[in-house]
This record gives sequence, C-alpha cells and structure tokens, in this order.
Amino acid sequence: AQKVTQAQTEISVVEKEDVTLDCVYETRDTTYYLFWYKQPPSGELVFLIRRNSFDEQNEISGRYSWNFQKSTSSFNFTITASQVVDSAVYFCALLGNQFYFGTGTSLTVIP
Amino acid sequence: EPEVTQTPSHQVTQMGQEVILRCVPISNHLYFYWYRQILGQKVEFLVSFYNNEISEKSEIFDDQFSVERPDGSNFTLKIRSTKLEDSAMYFCASSEGTGAVLPEAFFGQGTRLTVV
Repeated sequence: AQKVTQAQTEISVVEKEDVTLDCVYETRDTTYYLFWYKQPPSGELVFLIRRNSFDEQNEISGRYSWNFQKSTSSFNFTITASQVVDSAVYFCALLGNQFYFGTGTSLTVIP
Repeated sequence: EPEVTQTPSHQVTQMGQEVILRCVPISNHLYFYWYRQILGQKVEFLVSFYNNEISEKSEIFDDQFSVERPDGSNFTLKIRSTKLEDSAMYFCASSEGTGAVLPEAFFGQGTRLTVV
C-alpha cells in the first residue's frame, strides 16, 4: 500500500523562526518520487520540489531545505527564517502510478 | 514554463445539474489525472487516463463521473447529477509518465465547484 503521513496538522511559529514539516511515506515500489506542494489561501497547488528515490542528497533552495532519508522513509521540509508569506498548507506527496497526498500541514507564521 | 490550464476557475451549479470541468494538459504529456479536495481536507485521487482510456479510478469516481479527451487537447471531467457533497476544488494534472519514467507532473490551478 502507498501512503503518506503528515502527523503535524497545524503549526504556528513566530516570524524568523525555523520550522520543519514532517513527512513519512510507505511504498513497496523501488522507484518512486516524492513531492512537496504549497497551497496558499487562493487554493492552487504550487510545486516546491521533486525528488526521486535514488537521490538521497539533501537539497537547499534559498530558505527551503529538504532532508530525504530512505532508512526512515521520511522526506522532511525545513523553512529557515520563516516569513508571513510562508503561511499556507503544505502537502507532501508520493508518486507511484498516481499521486498519494498526505493530509497536509497548515503553517501559520505570526508577525 | 509549461502549465496545465483549467476552466472555469469557479463554477456554481444547482444540485442535480450536470457540470463539465475543463482542463488543457501540457501538450507532450501522456498521462492525465483528476483530483478532488474538499475544503480543508486532503487532495484525493479520482481518476487517471492514458491512451484514451481510464487506467485507474478511485471509489469516489462512481457512475456519476466520467472523463473524456474529446479533441486531443482538452481533458474534461463530467459530473452528471451534482450533489452537495461534490462541492470541492478539482485539480487536473498531467505528466510525461509514471513509475520508472521520470515524471514531470504539473497541476492546474484548480476549479472550485460549489453545488447549491
């Protein structure tokens, strides 16, 4: 079975704090892809990152960084020095033959 | 930057009416998907479509739903007789491939369907 778990339903942080959003996945596939999407209040899904199962290198893009660990089936997302504009719902997703989304983490950054 | 386009952005319809949600996938993509997100909930898979036929569908995708690629560019989702619980954001997505094929997968901006 394919499954994505985002245990954190809601997180609030004060601006400039760092925050990590957790994502744990389950799959029997040896080749798969993991994604993070941001969903602002306007509702669209904004692509943040795609990572394939053979590439465990961590990635940094500006204030965003991702930690992929196959040993623990986790693909965590860290925002450094959070800003109010980071407030959104963040979804982790696994792509096998279709996308499997986690339930999302609602992040609120308080000014 | 290629993009998936969905129209309309917001549709209001009366219960029992038929609605058609339209999507224009990225031109060289082969796999097409519809997803649904009820307000405040997770994004749920409805159906995938490849080679002019449904390749997979979820239990949500019952006989009230159908998909079509009528003209080689559009990809439509039809709901025959809408119910209040069909109110949701509907996302279309397309990708070059799945599984072992490196997927460039893109989502449209969504159509918010409100059934009254």
